Amino acid sequence: DVKVTQSSRYLVKRTGEKVFLECVQDMDHENMFWYRQDPGLGLRLIYFSYDVKMKEKGDIPEGYSVSREKKERFSLILESASTNQTSMYLCANRPAGKETQYFGPGTRLLVL
Amino acid sequence: GIQVEQSPPDLILQEGANSTLRCNFSDSVNNLQWFHQNPWGQLINLFYIPSGTKQNGRLSATTVATERYSLLYISSSQTTDSGVYFCAVPLYSSASKIIFGSGTRLSIRP
Repeated sequence: DVKVTQSSRYLVKRTGEKVFLECVQDMDHENMFWYRQDPGLGLRLIYFSYDVKMKEKGDIPEGYSVSREKKERFSLILESASTNQTSMYLCANRPAGKETQYFGPGTRLLVL
Repeated sequence: GIQVEQSPPDLILQEGANSTLRCNFSDSVNNLQWFHQNPWGQLINLFYIPSGTKQNGRLSATTVATERYSLLYISSSQTTDSGVYFCAVPLYSSASKIIFGSGTRLSIRP
């Protein structure tokens, strides 16, 4: 069974804090993604990575950065958290050449 | 960029009823996916359906690529079908980026 884990289900942070969201997959898939989900807006792509140390901006990268030092781990970093980054964050992965994405359980982040 | 619209935004049904969810997209696509997000937030891929019809148990999906829409059918609804259903299409052909619709929230009452 495929498995994608995210470091926290719920997280509460203060404005200005540096926040790390971790995503780990055990499927040896090349492509990994970070989305945020907000009511009425569906899922929006923040960043994705198609290989170790490779990254590309998605639709809403401002205020975020990512790190992929190992194939199985893709980290999302909020350099200085702001209240408008309160959201549900979803990690996904996809094998090369395939279309199906596999999602983690999500992290609900509240920035106060 | 491509626009993806889903309807209806919300749907409340009694257990046992059938439902049809619609996804319209503004440009030609070479693939389309349907996802289900359960009430706890977990997203599961239901169908990868660039064209034609597929069935999986009580669920089936049809994509008419030439007319730029896809339909998801749920028959004999169960409470476990509740959640949000998303369709998603690629931003452009062979791209890693996919665009999600805003979803249809389905609530099945016992």
